[in-house]
Amino acid sequence: AQKITQTQPGMFVQEKEAVTLDCTYDTSDPSYGLFWYKQPSSGEMIFLIYQGSYDQQNATEGRYSLNFQKARKSANLVISASQLGDSAMYFCAMRGHASGGSYIPTFGRGTSLIVHP
Amino acid sequence: EAQVTQNPRYLITVTGKKLTVTCSQNMNHEYMSWYRQDPGLGLRQIYYSMNVEVTDKGDVPEGYKVSRKEKRNFPLILESPSPNQTSLYFCASSLTPQGNQPQHFGDGTRLSIL
Repeated sequence: AQKITQTQPGMFVQEKEAVTLDCTYDTSDPSYGLFWYKQPSSGEMIFLIYQGSYDQQNATEGRYSLNFQKARKSANLVISASQLGDSAMYFCAMRGHASGGSYIPTFGRGTSLIVHP
Repeated sequence: EAQVTQNPRYLITVTGKKLTVTCSQNMNHEYMSWYRQDPGLGLRQIYYSMNVEVTDKGDVPEGYKVSRKEKRNFPLILESPSPNQTSLYFCASSLTPQGNQPQHFGDGTRLSIL
């Protein structure tokens, strides 16, 4: 069984500062993918960034980077230079291999980020 | 524009009245799935489909049905809705079922069952 843990129910950050959202995972699969999604108050789910379990370098997408520490089973999201529009719920997710050949997605419970002006 | 389209966006209905939430994607994705999102619980998978005519249960399938007759469509059916199915529902798709594929989500359907 695979599991995603997000230990921060809520985070506050000052505009223009960097913030790290924590995510730890547990899986016995040697091959898996880790994802972060953003859910603004309007409700839609927006894909932000992906990290493969065999990727040698940490993923980056604009102001988003993923601090991947495989030995510690952590995949923290770093948002640099926070903006007011970054205020949202953030979900960490993983796709690990299932016996039927599909990669079953598992989501964490989310972290609510509020950016203060 | 590449997208996953769900309808309706909002629905208030009564216990026992059958309803269908439609989902369509225009990206030729093989993998489609349905989730429900409840406060404090994150997203839980209801059903998924690896391809046409191939569907399987997720974590919380009780009270739901799905079908995949065409690649682009994956409707969610509640034959006899109950109040505990009040939730925010998402349809999602990915190119393949592989672990490196991000899922693309629809805008969600807020369902209230009275």
